[in-house]
Amino acid sequence: RKEVEQDPGPFNVPEGATVAFNCTYSNSASQSFFWYRQDCRKEPKLLMSVYSSGNEDGRFTAQLNRASQYISLLIRDSKLSDSATYLCAVNGGGTSYGKLTFGQGTILTVHP
Amino acid sequence: NAGVTQTPKFQVLKTGQSMTLQCAQDMNHNSMYWYRQDPGMGLRLIYYSASEGTTDKGEVPNGYNVSRLNKREFSLRLESAAPSQTSVYFCASNRASNTGELFFGEGSRLTVL
Repeated sequence: RKEVEQDPGPFNVPEGATVAFNCTYSNSASQSFFWYRQDCRKEPKLLMSVYSSGNEDGRFTAQLNRASQYISLLIRDSKLSDSATYLCAVNGGGTSYGKLTFGQGTILTVHP
Repeated sequence: NAGVTQTPKFQVLKTGQSMTLQCAQDMNHNSMYWYRQDPGMGLRLIYYSASEGTTDKGEVPNGYNVSRLNKREFSLRLESAAPSQTSVYFCASNRASNTGELFFGEGSRLTVL
């Protein structure tokens, strides 16, 4: 089993739709969690951190479920500019401390 | 503010050739990383350096060597390139290895024929 897994999609949604991505992780000692965004042929950039209590940044909401070992990203009122690949990342615990492991990414396309 | 700079941006090699990817950051970060990205595989960690003078293997270190030359620079060397090493390579850095905001370079696209 991969350490961090995502549904690769692709997700094709109309403008204004709400879309949610999940990401599961296998290391129960993992300490911190993140969502990155990667535009086509560009480098990944941090979108938001994921806190235990959940956090929101405008149209984006991230949540963590430690019991089930997954994180989620919800995008409301999708815009064309949200089209990108979304990567979850997990900072492991134990022997994986300090290593940020990424999922394979979920491709989102928002169409008019 | 340059951030993380990688060179070269593009390279074509023949099987068996060697090359070094260079990476430098100007943010005074302690930790630096090399990832490779392949279609459907996401980003996979090759090597990382938590601080100057230390390096550790990541998920896919075979066929690669690294050097943390100083705090700013972290190079990745392919001693004998293989077609399986065709990939996009990203260098990244962060202030400390227990923080999650990595700053990435623009990537180096390597093709091994």
